Amino acid sequence: DAGITQSPRHKVTETGTPVTLRCHQTENHRYMYWYRQDPGHGLRLIHYSYGVKDTDKGEVSDGYSVSRSKTEDFLLTLESATSSQTSVYFCAISETGPETQYFGPGTRLLVL
Amino acid sequence: AQSVTQPDIHITVSEGASLELRCNYSYGATPYLFWYVQSPGQGLQLLLKYFSGDTLVQGIKGFEAEFKRSQSSFNLRKPSVHWSDAAEYFCALYKTDSWGKLQFGAGTQVVVTP
Repeated sequence: DAGITQSPRHKVTETGTPVTLRCHQTENHRYMYWYRQDPGHGLRLIHYSYGVKDTDKGEVSDGYSVSRSKTEDFLLTLESATSSQTSVYFCAISETGPETQYFGPGTRLLVL
Repeated sequence: AQSVTQPDIHITVSEGASLELRCNYSYGATPYLFWYVQSPGQGLQLLLKYFSGDTLVQGIKGFEAEFKRSQSSFNLRKPSVHWSDAAEYFCALYKTDSWGKLQFGAGTQVVVTP
């Protein structure tokens, strides 16, 4: 399995609070991604990074921001959490491009 | 418009029986196609992928998939399922002219009965 960890694995928070999720990789892969998984939607891309300090939006980026100051870490921030952001969040990495991605174990977030 | 469609939300199959999961895609150029499996509470694991060449692709855990351009399909098969194959399966499409966008189907839940 690819060396990808996500923290925290579970989080409960209240509406309006900021939340940061961390993805850490030990593979030295260039590309990193954040997805959310919701029933009936599969996985949807939130943001991705193609290098340190290089990021771009995915299809469901509203309400989320990201940062990547080191190759190994990709942070996802919910500036002001809403109940619609209750979801399971997956980080993924890829080495040479977005074609073949490897996924972390996920973070289950509940916004009350 | 949905780029990847998995028509079956839920499939029940007996242990030892064959399994086929359907995936249809919408894309005009040559796609890159993937199948991932997700066990309960786990992340996604790549089963197999198709980029080009032989249209019958072998993957891990005894799975295979066949790319049929004329039908815009990439169906996943296994000749004999094991109880451990109970999971959710996702088909995904990478559009070669749309960098960074791996698009997933909604998933098919597979239940294996004794």
